[in-house]
Amino acid sequence: SQELEQSPQSLIVQEGKNLTINCTSSKTLYGLYWYKQKYGEGLIFLMMLQKGGEEKSHEKITAKLDEKKQQSSLHITASQPSHAGIYLCGADRKDQGAQKLVFGQGTRLTINP
Amino acid sequence: AAGVIQSPRHLIKEKRETATLKCYPIPRHDTVYWYQQGPGQDPQFLISFYEKMQSDKGSIPDRFSAQQFSDYHSELNMSSLELGDSALYFCASSPYPTRFYEQYFGPGTRLTVT
Repeated sequence: SQELEQSPQSLIVQEGKNLTINCTSSKTLYGLYWYKQKYGEGLIFLMMLQKGGEEKSHEKITAKLDEKKQQSSLHITASQPSHAGIYLCGADRKDQGAQKLVFGQGTRLTINP
Repeated sequence: AAGVIQSPRHLIKEKRETATLKCYPIPRHDTVYWYQQGPGQDPQFLISFYEKMQSDKGSIPDRFSAQQFSDYHSELNMSSLELGDSALYFCASSPYPTRFYEQYFGPGTRLTVT
């Protein structure tokens, strides 16, 4: 089963509109990371949230962490075509001693002009 | 700024063949990670190296092996390829093993097994 569930799985918005992507963890969150992936390319690290209630912004992208709900949200204001891509949330896990990143299944964002 | 380089970008192999994927981390990054991303799936961690030693192991099949060399580049060797190995293979590097979440990903190698 997916440890990190993202919603929605895909999103089509009109350029200039705001949008929100959610990421919910089935396990305790100690840190939550957001990445962006252009179709078929590598992941780009966007930001990291570590403390409950923490909110970070990068250009028009804002992410928040709600530790109690084990949830994070990514909000894009006044979306632009350059925001199109796949957004993945990630969290660190220790699995049999191995430290690794686990990812959500991604949210595919399309921006219509 | 220099980024993570992966080669080749595309690779087509037949079943039971072998493949070698290469990864060149960002200069002064001593930690390398390998991920496998199947079609429509999220990336799955395979293996990582720190200072040329294997540091963590994920869901890497026994048919795969990897190593990190003295110049910090890494190679993922895949033998007895199966159709299910068709995927996008990412390499990522980070400057510190303790900040592994801040990984810089390469463009990936798309492996197609026919």
